[in-house]
Amino acid sequence: DGGITQSPKYLFRKEGQNVTLSCEQNLNHDAMYWYRQDPGQGLRLIYYSQIVNDFQKGDIAEGYSVSREKKESFPLTVTSAQKNPTAFYLCASSMGKTAANVLTFGAGSRLTVL
Amino acid sequence: KNEVEQSPQNLTAQEGEFITINCSYSVGISALHWLQQHPGGGIVSLFMLSSGKKKHGRLIATINIQEKHSSLHITASHPRDSAVYICVDWWAIEVGAQKLVFGQGTRLTINP
Repeated sequence: DGGITQSPKYLFRKEGQNVTLSCEQNLNHDAMYWYRQDPGQGLRLIYYSQIVNDFQKGDIAEGYSVSREKKESFPLTVTSAQKNPTAFYLCASSMGKTAANVLTFGAGSRLTVL
Repeated sequence: KNEVEQSPQNLTAQEGEFITINCSYSVGISALHWLQQHPGGGIVSLFMLSSGKKKHGRLIATINIQEKHSSLHITASHPRDSAVYICVDWWAIEVGAQKLVFGQGTRLTINP
């Protein structure tokens, strides 16, 4: 079945460490997105990519980095520069960048900084 | 700036009750999505609509473009409907560029 796979599901990090969250999709979707979710708040966009080898910053990109070397993959690195990284991270994809396309979400990755 | 407001933020009801969750947005939309987030965090897209009404099983979503308002209804609610429901406004900020704005979610609990 087609879908989005995020890994790991749970991740613990010490302060000062970089961590990379994986997002893989086999839906042949062009656009991929990374969101951060904090308790009581709506999802906030970190980065998005509409085609391979291209990505744009979202609303809260500081302290994060991404790459899009393959259509299927859009990994997110949480760097030590991110001051408050403990959160739930969701990856999503859609066929195109227009609103007519349904969003598909991964199961999420919960990052906790110790 | 486009903002999306949902109400109520929390809703507890008894099994069988008719549920309504509301969503208001401040700027025009290209499409409005309703998402369901399960306790484990996984998100499922329920509806995507830009006008009128859509129905899927016990779920109904409506939108009023003039009033910038959408509602999600659940008929004959069941404990398995317990989840967070999120409204998403997908709007065009300029030609070729679109942005999603998420509501803060409505936490629904259905008691048996």
